[in-house]
Amino acid sequence: QQQVKQSPQSLIVQKGGISIINCAYENTAFDYFPWYQQFPGKGPALLIAIRPDVSEKKEGRFTISFNKSAKQFSLHIMDSQPGDSATYFCAARASNFNKFYFGSGTKLNVKP
Amino acid sequence: DAGVTQSPTHLIKTRGQQVTLRCSPKSGHDTVSWYQQALGQGPQFIFQYYEEEERQRGNFPDRFSGHQFPNYSSELNVNALLLGDSALYLCASSAGLNTGELFFGEGSRLTVL
Repeated sequence: QQQVKQSPQSLIVQKGGISIINCAYENTAFDYFPWYQQFPGKGPALLIAIRPDVSEKKEGRFTISFNKSAKQFSLHIMDSQPGDSATYFCAARASNFNKFYFGSGTKLNVKP
Repeated sequence: DAGVTQSPTHLIKTRGQQVTLRCSPKSGHDTVSWYQQALGQGPQFIFQYYEEEERQRGNFPDRFSGHQFPNYSSELNVNALLLGDSALYLCASSAGLNTGELFFGEGSRLTVL
């Protein structure tokens, strides 16, 4: 059973547009929710993360929205740029251990 | 400041063989986790090492084993390779067991023929 479900599988956005990726989870014991960005041939790199006591976190053009009651969280990329074209993974951590469950990934393509 | 380094970057093995992958954590990090990333999928947790002991394990068979050395570096061993073991193997390090932030290496791409 997949612990973290991610959608969409792929996303095409025009330069300057908003990219939105969604994730849902079931385990209420999860206590930390990061987003990772992965370019081809590279390992995932931490982009932004949130804890469940906060409903929103913004870092530059990247924002996480977190809905604890719905057990959902999303990544918003404002003013999307071609350099943002990559695969994005949401993840959730089992409490007190750095054991992460990853979503299946969203391949983002930002058109110039 | 060197990040997480992994070796080898690519390797090809045949079914039934054994493989060892190596990882050096980011400077100042003492915890190493290993993940398997199949093509087009998200990483899946294999296990985590801290203080030279396996602390957490994912849903992987005993063919997958590991080790952590006193300098915090780590090895992942896979015995009796199957075609389905073909994947990108990622090492991630962190400062402690529950600090949250993982730093990943670029991975070792294993192809089993």
